[in-house]
Amino acid sequence: DVVMTQTPVSLSVSLGGQVSISCRSSQSLVHNNGNTYLSWYLQKPGQSPQLLIYKVSNRFSGISDRFSGSGSGTDFTLKISRVEPDDLGVYYCGQGTQYPYTFGAGTKLELK
Amino acid sequence: EVQLVESGGGLVQPGRSLKLSCLASGFTFSNYGMNWIRQAPGKGLEWVASISSSSSYIYYADTVKGRFTISRDNAKNTLYLQMTSLRSEDTALYYCARHRYYGGYNDYWGQGVMVTVSS
Repeated sequence: DVVMTQTPVSLSVSLGGQVSISCRSSQSLVHNNGNTYLSWYLQKPGQSPQLLIYKVSNRFSGISDRFSGSGSGTDFTLKISRVEPDDLGVYYCGQGTQYPYTFGAGTKLELK
Repeated sequence: EVQLVESGGGLVQPGRSLKLSCLASGFTFSNYGMNWIRQAPGKGLEWVASISSSSSYIYYADTVKGRFTISRDNAKNTLYLQMTSLRSEDTALYYCARHRYYGGYNDYWGQGVMVTVSS
């Protein structure tokens, strides 16, 4: 199984600041078709996860350009700029390249 | 508007069975694969099972293989998860999610339904 390792476990940020979350996979996430199926989700308190980024760097519909994804192979990063109160919650990376699909353990973004 | 509404959860004794449902609306259900994903209390996300749009392809996590069965009724726009031989470690909030296979992601999630396995 592909193990997804997220760092840090938690992050404190001031409003308006910028943060980066790292996600590393135990195997390359490049699919046989050449695509890389790495996505990012945000779970706000008391809510279901919501999709932010898919295929490494593609923002889902309605997602602010303050969110950006990058990376390749086994190393990926989510950057959030100009942090707003609505950005707080737990961020998960997930891989859809091979079954079983797996997620990172999550990174909790809190206010400083 | 895409909506996914789970139902069927509750408190069940170890070894018993339970069937979850997920009613989809706002999109052509028969065109999309679907996933069940669960989250134990205070824990992260765990993928449980996937089913393709026509039920031709089905996959399970090893933790539920042989005990859980994913299925769908495209005429009723409904996804199911039949759970048998339930264990305490199956206690979780179960989400259904629309699966974009050629993107490897879940773009819409339900609100979740709680399953508690306890005597």
